[in-house]
Amino acid sequence: GAVVSQHPSRVICKSGTSVKIECRSLDFQATTMFWYRQFPKQSLMLMATSNEGSKATYEQGVEKDKFLINHASLTLSTLTVTSAHPEDSSFYICSGLYSGVKNIQYFGAGTRLSVL
Amino acid sequence: LAKTTQPISMDSYEGQEVNITCSHNNIATNDYITWYQQFPSQGPRFIIQGYKTKVTNEVASLFIPADRKSSTLSLPRVSLSDTAVYYCLVMDTGRRALTFGSGTRLQVQP
Repeated sequence: GAVVSQHPSRVICKSGTSVKIECRSLDFQATTMFWYRQFPKQSLMLMATSNEGSKATYEQGVEKDKFLINHASLTLSTLTVTSAHPEDSSFYICSGLYSGVKNIQYFGAGTRLSVL
Repeated sequence: LAKTTQPISMDSYEGQEVNITCSHNNIATNDYITWYQQFPSQGPRFIIQGYKTKVTNEVASLFIPADRKSSTLSLPRVSLSDTAVYYCLVMDTGRRALTFGSGTRLQVQP
């Protein structure tokens, strides 16, 4: 299957700082990427849809000014958590949409964010 | 969006065949059924996708009846490493987003 690389795998930061997470599709072009958040023992929740060259579409309840998404190329999307607070601590996962006859999302390994 | 319903958990033993059934009564004509596997602290891994009848790959089979209101993921001869959460999803081709349900937590014992 297609490969999506996510970096960093884990980050610990102080409250009030900003954190950037990168998501790269390594062997395919992903015009659409998705960002999810997952709390312990819970399912994945879609945060936003990222389209190359255009503004991201955020799900209801997700603050676009807090979670900045940039999709500047066909293989890279970034999520910046601005002014992070302890309640932002979570597991963030990105995926790239492999478009063909069937649309399949391939996921990154995830980023564990801990805000102190 | 078509909602899916699957068992919260299942237990099995090594070497057994495991069948996980998912219900999706409101599936749309253009929707595909996709299954993912997730280990703790990892991103979901694509297992298999199908539209109707039967699909088989090197790791699993997917059975979809004619009415497409349900599907069954079949894992042949499971091992301890198959212990994970399995998600059944219906692809909303228009929006291309996935809505994850609670998944099925499979525990394989020796």
